[in-house]
Amino acid sequence: ETGVTQSPTHLIKTRGQQVTLRCSSQSGHNTVSWYQQALGQGPQFIFQYYREEENGRGNFPPRFSGLQFPNYSSELNVNALELDDSALYLCASSLFGESGRAEAFFGQGTRLTVV
Amino acid sequence: DAKTTQPTSMDCAEGRAANLPCNHSTISGNEYVYWYRQIHSQGPQYIIHGLKNNETNEMASLIITEDRKSSTLILPHATLRDTAVYYCIVRVPLNAGGTSYGKLTFGQGTILTVHP
Repeated sequence: ETGVTQSPTHLIKTRGQQVTLRCSSQSGHNTVSWYQQALGQGPQFIFQYYREEENGRGNFPPRFSGLQFPNYSSELNVNALELDDSALYLCASSLFGESGRAEAFFGQGTRLTVV
Repeated sequence: DAKTTQPTSMDCAEGRAANLPCNHSTISGNEYVYWYRQIHSQGPQYIIHGLKNNETNEMASLIITEDRKSSTLILPHATLRDTAVYYCIVRVPLNAGGTSYGKLTFGQGTILTVHP
C-alpha cells in the first residue's frame, strides 16, 4: 500500500458532462501529479501541483484543470467530456525538495468511462 | 515523448533472475532513471531508481552503464507474482530552474511473463 488514495474507483459519464476526480497524497508529500492512461498505453503526464499551484503541464487541453489544497490533496476536473477521455486516471504523490527521497507513489486510479 | 525504449515482451522461468533492459540514449546529466511495474489496471508500483551508481533494494537491482545510455533491472529470483508490465522511465524536469519534482515519461513498457 502506498498511502495514496483516489476516489471514486470507477465512474461512468455522458459525453459533454463534467467530472471531478479526487486524490489524497501520502503523508509528508507536497507534490501531486496526474496521469492519463488509455487502454494498452503507458501513463501520460497531465499536470503537476506544488504549493497549491500548477507548475507544469503536459499536452492536454484547458478543459483539464486541477486544484491542490493546503493539506496537499488534489482534484482533477475535466469539462465537456469526450469519448476519448475514457481512461484510467492516476494520481502520483511525491516530495519535492529532498533529492534522496525521490520516489513517486501512485494511487490505484479512477477508471472513467465516457458514453 | 518517452525517452526510453524497451523490448515489448520477455519471458522468465520461476526462480531464475529476470534481466530487463532499457535504452535511454538521450538522457541528460541530471535526469534520474526509474523503474515501475503495473499489474492489470492497478496503479504503477515503484521498484527502484538511480542516477549514476548501481542501486539495490529489497525488490530489485538497477545497473546503469557508465555512459548512462542504458540500464538493466534485475529481479534476482522471479516469482509468478512478478508477472507484470515493467516501465523504464526517465524523470524529466518541468522547467529550467529545477523548481519542481518533474514528470515521469512512460513508454510502452515490457510485458514480463514468469512461467512455472
